[in-house]
Amino acid sequence: GDSVTQMEGPVTLSEEAFLTINCTYTATGYPSLFWYVQYPGEGLQLLLKATKADDKGSNKGFEATYRKETTSFHLEKGSVQVSDSAVYFCALHGSSNTGKLIFGQGTTLQVKP
Amino acid sequence: GAGVSQSPSNKVTEKGKDVELRCDPISGHTALYWYRQSLGQGLEFLIYFQGNSAPDKSGLPSDRFSAERTGGSVSTLTIQRTQQEDSAVYLCASSLAVSGSIYEQFFGPGTRLTVL
Repeated sequence: GDSVTQMEGPVTLSEEAFLTINCTYTATGYPSLFWYVQYPGEGLQLLLKATKADDKGSNKGFEATYRKETTSFHLEKGSVQVSDSAVYFCALHGSSNTGKLIFGQGTTLQVKP
Repeated sequence: GAGVSQSPSNKVTEKGKDVELRCDPISGHTALYWYRQSLGQGLEFLIYFQGNSAPDKSGLPSDRFSAERTGGSVSTLTIQRTQQEDSAVYLCASSLAVSGSIYEQFFGPGTRLTVL
């Protein structure tokens, strides 16, 4: 079945460092891919998405490119801030139209000043 | 309008008791989803409702779990004879549609269930 694998955390960075959180997926067909973020004490929020190969999703300085050849959707940010500290989830919506999201395990990011 | 709301925000119960968790989706959203977030299992899909179609119950972990959606709006997740392994945060989400470019699931704050 469909699955998502993302790098384990926690990831600890200094402010202004470059961030990469790896995400790879297994799915039949052409899934849509998402990054969700969960800030401390808050609910899950959609960060960015990409619905077809080579699409780049971007928001709040974060980017991720849908790479079908490597089945990846890595999250990047050029310069992280303390306020980016959160748990990040990679997810896919399969092309089988079942409605459900398949999530990775989540990666905790801590940014230190 | 308002986002997805869930109640209660916290629920502590004793093993063997039944619990009901409520979700109010965003007005006009036809699709509603339940997920469970636990330390050992991450975020797991439980069930989803789409309009008047039969729900997809493929993620429910046992027959102790059930859910209903009344009038295409509010949903209740019921767990019967709770077990300690049911302890988790139960998340509800809603969306305008299941597929297409307007697909985005909006999540509620969750209900933290603790089974003693």
